[in-house]
Amino acid sequence: EDQVTQSPEALRLQEGESSSLNCSYTVSGLRGLFWYRQDPGKGPEFLFTLYSAGEEKEKERLKATLTKKESFLHITAPKPEDSATYLCAVQGSSNTGKLIFGQGTTLQVKP
Amino acid sequence: DAGVTQSPTHLIKTRGQQVTLRCSPKSGHDTVSWYQQALGQGPQFIFQYYEEEERQRGNFPDRFSGHQFPNYSSELNVNALLLGDSALYLCASSFGDGYYGYTFGSGTRLTVV
Repeated sequence: EDQVTQSPEALRLQEGESSSLNCSYTVSGLRGLFWYRQDPGKGPEFLFTLYSAGEEKEKERLKATLTKKESFLHITAPKPEDSATYLCAVQGSSNTGKLIFGQGTTLQVKP
Repeated sequence: DAGVTQSPTHLIKTRGQQVTLRCSPKSGHDTVSWYQQALGQGPQFIFQYYEEEERQRGNFPDRFSGHQFPNYSSELNVNALLLGDSALYLCASSFGDGYYGYTFGSGTRLTVV
């Protein structure tokens, strides 16, 4: 069964303090791994899609990496506006129509 | 370019009632998926519609049903509401099976009392 686990559940950082969020997954044939950002009461906002191990993508202070078993979302010198819940999801080859989400990591960045 | 539009934004219903939620996909997208997100949890897949047919379904009871119209918009219907149905309902649109990504709407917050 396809499964996604994110850690930690919550993370508090000081502004400028870099860190990483982890997404571990088991899936029968990875078609894509997705990172989303979600603000309270809002829908998920797309950040990255990664398709194969070794792939990396960057956007401003965020960098996503992928191995065969996990993905990391690295946050460099975060700012308070980076505070949000970060969701990881996978799409497997046996269930091409749906995303399997983790429970999310809630990030708080204090000034 | 309009993204995914959902209506209403908030809704309060009584146990046992029925509810209909609506979704207009992003321009150029032909597939609509629905997700339920309980507080503090990740979204859970309900079902996906493509070419006006349900293509795939998650582990939700038959009380949850849907429809897709020729203009690709979609409705989610929930019958015999339970307190546990209280959640944020998200619509996501994509082109085809979503290999290149999904765009989510802002959701409908459903409260069952």
